[in-house]
Amino acid sequence: DTGVSQNPRHKITKRGQNVTFRCDPISEHNRLYWYRQTLGQGPEFLTYFQNEAQLEKSRLLSDRFSAERPKGSFSTLEIQRTEQGDSAMYLCASSPLAGNTQYFGPGTRLTVL
Amino acid sequence: RKEVEQDPGPFNVPEGATVAFNCTYSNSASQSFFWYRQDCRKEPKLLMSVYSSGNEDGRFTAQLNRASQYISLLIRDSKLSDSATYLCAVKGASNTGKLIFGQGTTLQVKP
Repeated sequence: DTGVSQNPRHKITKRGQNVTFRCDPISEHNRLYWYRQTLGQGPEFLTYFQNEAQLEKSRLLSDRFSAERPKGSFSTLEIQRTEQGDSAMYLCASSPLAGNTQYFGPGTRLTVL
Repeated sequence: RKEVEQDPGPFNVPEGATVAFNCTYSNSASQSFFWYRQDCRKEPKLLMSVYSSGNEDGRFTAQLNRASQYISLLIRDSKLSDSATYLCAVKGASNTGKLIFGQGTTLQVKP
């Protein structure tokens, strides 16, 4: 499968715990994006990377959220001290440098109890 | 006002019907436009990009109206399998990578 992959697919955690999600983009896609989607809403942009550089961050990305793409390949999104309001689907997408089309992974569904 | 707006529906139509969705955007500098399809609890999948001259892919036609700042999606001869949520997405100025999505429009095609 050469699409975007995300792990884990589901995560249940207790409030206050830290969680980390991983995204593996389509091979050779330079750009990688993180979005969050809650029920009944469209995906909301969180941040994006071009290679290893984090070029844009949404104001939704509070100081409890951090994303990395250290080698310009896979990326991780960490949420510290989770809150119930963090419960959502976290989607990763990638695109080539020369194109605008973003291809999404299956998402990680986070439930904070 | 949201940057990208869609009527959430649901649109309930019989098989074989023609249905159209609109999506309005507020940033006149927006450069790229897309329609994604999302099935329940799945990821968005690209349905089609929207070009200035309009484009067609089988039963699906997308159009862009820059003057009125909206894009549209027309589905002809609806199939049961077309039942899904249709998300419009807009990319802003060239120095941003993000897509801004509408809320999505739910389509239910009935036999």
